Amino acid sequence: GAVVSQHPSWVICKSGTSVKIECRSLDFQATTMFWYRQFPKQSLMLMATSNEGSKATYEQGVEKDKFLINHASLTLSTLTVTSAHPEDSSFYICSARKDGWNSPLHFGNGTRLTVT
Amino acid sequence: DAKTTQPPSMDCAEGRAANLPCNHSTISGNEYVYWYRQIHSQGPQYIIHGLKNNETNEMASLIITEDRKSSTLILPHATLRDTAVYYCIVRVADYGQNFVFGPGTRLSVLP
Repeated sequence: GAVVSQHPSWVICKSGTSVKIECRSLDFQATTMFWYRQFPKQSLMLMATSNEGSKATYEQGVEKDKFLINHASLTLSTLTVTSAHPEDSSFYICSARKDGWNSPLHFGNGTRLTVT
Repeated sequence: DAKTTQPPSMDCAEGRAANLPCNHSTISGNEYVYWYRQIHSQGPQYIIHGLKNNETNEMASLIITEDRKSSTLILPHATLRDTAVYYCIVRVADYGQNFVFGPGTRLSVLP
């Protein structure tokens, strides 16, 4: 069964509004979670690394003030897209590692964001 | 992390084995080979991973060459539901490390 839960699975919002996406690890604690973005017909691109109890680490070109990440507990990380614009429309996916250092990442089912 | 090369697309007949190749000629001794797949509009699904020995689980088999410069993912009896993009990823096993996704191989299982 799923080990990483993501909510909502899809959301439509108006330009200028903010949207929050939740990522939960189920039955395990995740000190680190990863947020990816995927545009149509492209591969996944890492946006940021979410660290429990500390600031997230953002990849080059990703605006930290636009994509706010909060990892307040060991089972929950949130990504807030602030002042969303149509170019932010994308598929957002979170992931976490359940077990030891060489275990695979488990991914949520993604959130389809459409900004109108 | 070492770079991987995969064919952009492959077809496979339903019920036959699907053999997906991956080249990773610059792999280093402490890098693992991971395979994921992504069905349309879903998050990636973990399939299998290995270091140097061949691995098998309920989903697939992973064959790694002796020199570790290439590997093959085998789906023994492909079904229509195996149609997806398959990603081969090579990386050092480290808890804090993310996975870097390339373009992958788009596998189409045909009836």
